[in-house]
Amino acid sequence: GENVEQHPSTLSVQEGDSAVIKCTYSDSASNYFPWYKQELGKRPQLIIDIRSNVGEKKDQRIAVTLNKTAKHFSLHITETQPEDSAVYFCAASGESGGSNYKLTFGKGTLLTVNP
Amino acid sequence: KAGVTQTPRYLIKTRGQQVTLSCSPISGHRSVSWYQQTPGQGLQFLFEYFSETQRNKGNFPGRFSGRQFSNSRSEMNVSTLELGDSALYLCASSFFSGEETQYFGPGTRLLVL
Repeated sequence: GENVEQHPSTLSVQEGDSAVIKCTYSDSASNYFPWYKQELGKRPQLIIDIRSNVGEKKDQRIAVTLNKTAKHFSLHITETQPEDSAVYFCAASGESGGSNYKLTFGKGTLLTVNP
Repeated sequence: KAGVTQTPRYLIKTRGQQVTLSCSPISGHRSVSWYQQTPGQGLQFLFEYFSETQRNKGNFPGRFSGRQFSNSRSEMNVSTLELGDSALYLCASSFFSGEETQYFGPGTRLLVL
């Protein structure tokens, strides 16, 4: 089955700096890669996603890049703000047999943005 | 549109008991997936239901089961609770099954004593 590795597990940056979180996946058949942000005590919220026919996607201060050959994808947050502090999860949608798909999540990255 | 809702939000049970959790998807969404979230294991996939049929199952024991009703609402049941079942149980809904965007509910926090 699919295996997703996420690094780093914790990341501390100064306000205004950029933050980068990287994920690798094992199943070359995976085609959908969402990123979720989870604030303390809250539900995971989708912040951006990318599909395998696209190499990069940007939404204001957030961007995701995908390298299908190397099987890795990254989240980039520019001009970080204290409200960006949260746990970020990457995920990959891999086939689990019989044309069924399931999301496999990375272990998460705790991002702290210091004012 | 209203988001995904889950009830109850908090539960305390003792070992050996059983529990039923409920999830109401976003209106129009027909797929509901369930996840267990713990500090040590992160988010782990339990199962997915689409049009009242289980489409997918994760690597959890048979004590974990679920079902989906004709209105797409879903329930999951855990029988013979163990201490290790203490976790946040999240459901997520999507329009279709497959590589679709999933929207999460607030979760049910289960504590097993």
